[in-house]
Amino acid sequence: NAGVTQTPKFQVLKTGQSMTLQCAQDMNHEYMSWYRQDPGMGLRLIHYSVGAGITDQGEVPNGYNVSRSTTEDFPLRLLSAAPSQTSVYFCASRPTGNTEAFFGQGTRLTVV
Amino acid sequence: GENVEQHPSTLSVQEGDSAVIKCTYSDSASNYFPWYKQELGKGPQLIIDIRSNVGEKKDQRIAVTLNKTAKHFSLHITETQPEDSAVYFCAASPSYNFNKFYFGSGTKLNVKP
Repeated sequence: NAGVTQTPKFQVLKTGQSMTLQCAQDMNHEYMSWYRQDPGMGLRLIHYSVGAGITDQGEVPNGYNVSRSTTEDFPLRLLSAAPSQTSVYFCASRPTGNTEAFFGQGTRLTVV
Repeated sequence: GENVEQHPSTLSVQEGDSAVIKCTYSDSASNYFPWYKQELGKGPQLIIDIRSNVGEKKDQRIAVTLNKTAKHFSLHITETQPEDSAVYFCAASPSYNFNKFYFGSGTKLNVKP
């Protein structure tokens, strides 16, 4: 099993550009989520999904869109990037009924 | 919503010493408290967790204690080793929405050989 795979690992965007951060897991986990990690602030939940076709907002959803068409994939879309979205983004998954979340290696995004 | 505070932000210990990291939470509905270890360039990894019906849990050199009345929980690492050097995060999850984790701001632990 590859676990949770995030692509790309690094990305630089210009203000106003759009892009999609990819997240895929091969563990057949129902639950997937996106976090952003900023210095001194820990991880904050952006969006999460409890299964294909079901998504919900976390603490900091503004400026981000998600969809979940398959169990394996949970992409995060930035519609119009802003410098405030410069951060490290982590995707996580866990199976239903289990509390342990498995994290990807992260995507470092810089918006200039 | 839940607010989790974590202290200290940095901690430096000598190899073999113990390390303690403390967290407080605000929402009395929180009932699940995991601890994650993040090594440089990697995603967080669960190292130990505790539920609100338990006061203490131990796994080899790592232990977690929980005081529900005071709303605080702590991570204890004994006989520290250089490979324990990493950033540690505490988190809390409320019973009314188990899908949401609220993280502390992290503690950078440095174990000096």
